[in-house]
Order: sequence, then structure tokens, then C-alpha cells
Amino acid sequence: GAVVSQHPSRVICKSGTSVKIECRSLDFQATTMFWYRQFPKQSLMLMATSNEGSKATYEQGVEKDKFLINHASLTLSTLTVTSAHPEDSSFYICSARDLRGRADTQYFGPGTRLTVL
Amino acid sequence: DAKTTQPPSMDCAEGRAANLPCNHSTISGNEYVYWYRQIHSQGPQYIIHGLKNNETNEMASLIITEDRKSSTLILPHATLRDTAVYYCIVRTTSGTYKYIFGTGTRLKVLA
Repeated sequence: GAVVSQHPSRVICKSGTSVKIECRSLDFQATTMFWYRQFPKQSLMLMATSNEGSKATYEQGVEKDKFLINHASLTLSTLTVTSAHPEDSSFYICSARDLRGRADTQYFGPGTRLTVL
Repeated sequence: DAKTTQPPSMDCAEGRAANLPCNHSTISGNEYVYWYRQIHSQGPQYIIHGLKNNETNEMASLIITEDRKSSTLILPHATLRDTAVYYCIVRTTSGTYKYIFGTGTRLKVLA
């Protein structure tokens, strides 16, 4: 399989501050990464698709100015939650698209739990 | 995008086979079926995927019906560590190849 890491694994911040979450594909290059959000007892909800070297594509209802995505290299995508508020508290998960071999598969990171006080 | 329907929960005795069904009646001919599982507070783990033929790997088997309208994930000898939420996903073939997660099946393996 392929390994995707996220950093940090959990973060607590004050309301109004910005938080950056990193997503790295460790053993493969990923031109496309995805960001999801998951609230307690709910399924994953796709927020945006991150393409290396170009602007991210956001799902309907996701504010692009609030959730800034940068995919500056083939192994790194970052999600910045700007001016975070308590309602942004959630579990954020990234995935990276692995195109090696016959599989066109997304591998997921371990997630980042964000708590906004 | 093709939607999937799964039972919300299932129980399985430890050591027995766990058979998790998924309905995807609107699947297109070139769309793949993927299975992932999510153990509490972790990212989803890839299990298996297929297009038309049945597939098997070290984790599970995937049985896809001939009309491709449904599939079954089989964990041959369930253990307590297989307790998780299992998601069946049909991968869209549009440009972004994104996944749309449904509600999944919460599998509980009982000792």
C-alpha cells in the first residue's frame, strides 16, 4: 500500500486564529489530493480537490477563502483554516491519489482533530 | 455519480465470515467499486476494489454481481480488530475522480 501522513494529529486553538494542516504522500507522488471533513457520528464529507500546481476545486458550500488549500509539490498539500471558530471544530482527513500500477486508488491520512475554543 | 446503499449496522461472531452488502444499482459501465473501512478516530483504510470480476487480496474478497448492481465484501474470518465502519464507494469517472462517501455499515465483531 501507500502511506499518507498528516501533521499535526490534533490541534487546539483559540477562536479567530488560523491553523495549518499538512498532508504528505510519503512513498509516492500525488498530483491530486483531497480534503475531507468529518463531524462526530457522521460520514466523511469532501471539501475540496487539490491539484499540484493549480487552484483547488471546492465542493458546493465550502468557503474557499476560509479553507485555503495549497498543493505546492507532488508530495505535499496544506489546508489552512483561517479565522477559525468553534463550528470549525472537526476531524479533517486528507487523501492522496495513487496512480501507480493498475490501481487508481486514494490513500488516506490518519486525520487531524481540530478543536477551536 | 452513482449512489451506494448499505445497511447501517451488522454484527458478526468472531472467527466467522462477515458478508457486507452494497447496492449500487445506478453504476455506470466504467465505474469501479471501492471498499474502505474506518476504525474509530482514524483515516479510512483501503481494502479492495473491482470493476467486473471478483477480487481477492490478503484482507478480503469482493464479489460483484453480473449486472454490477450490487456487491458483497467478505471478511473470511472476522476478528475483533475488524470492528469498524465499512464504506462502499463507486468512483466517479469524471475529471476529479472524487469519492462520495455514504453512511457505511457499522460492523461489530462479537467475541
